[in-house]
Amino acid sequence: GNSVTQMEGPVTLSEEAFLTINCTYTATGYPSLFWYVQYPGEGLQLLLKATKADDKGSNKGFEATYRKETTSFHLEKGSVQVSDSAVYFCALTHSSNTGKLIFGQGTTLQVKP
Amino acid sequence: DAGITQSPRHKVTETGTPVTLRCHQTENHRYMYWYRQDPGHGLRLIHYSYGVKDTDKGEVSDGYSVSRSKTEDFLLTLESATSSQTSVYFCAISESPGPDTEAFFGQGTRLTVV
Repeated sequence: GNSVTQMEGPVTLSEEAFLTINCTYTATGYPSLFWYVQYPGEGLQLLLKATKADDKGSNKGFEATYRKETTSFHLEKGSVQVSDSAVYFCALTHSSNTGKLIFGQGTTLQVKP
Repeated sequence: DAGITQSPRHKVTETGTPVTLRCHQTENHRYMYWYRQDPGHGLRLIHYSYGVKDTDKGEVSDGYSVSRSKTEDFLLTLESATSSQTSVYFCAISESPGPDTEAFFGQGTRLTVV
């Protein structure tokens, strides 16, 4: 079946450090891939997405490239800020799944000043 | 922000009692979803709805039922709460099931079963 695996957290970085959160997936066909972010006490919100191979999603300085050959969608940011502290979820969906999202475990990021 | 309201936001209940969580949207989106969030599991789909009175099971549906009598409301019921249902519950909505469609999430309901 379809699944998403993320790197274990928590990840602790100093401000302005480079961030990578690994995400790999297992799926048949051509899923769409997403990164959602959850700030403390809030629901999830979409950070970025990619709907086909080699697409790059980007938003707020974050980027992720849909790599079909390695079944990966790693999240990167060149210089993190304290305000980026949150839980990050990688997810996929299939057009045949009526919009159902399959999530990874989530990775907690803490950025220290 | 998408108009999604979950109620209650927090609830403590006893084992064996029925509990109903409500999700209300003002976006007129067709699709609505209930997920639960647990450490180490991310979010897992409980049930979803693709229209009024049209619902289907998700990955972890045992012990839960849902109803959708109006476009704007999607109710999740725990018929007889158990401690394993202690979790944070999120409602989500989307306009369509297409691969490019964004899902919008409510703020969550923290449920504790004692």
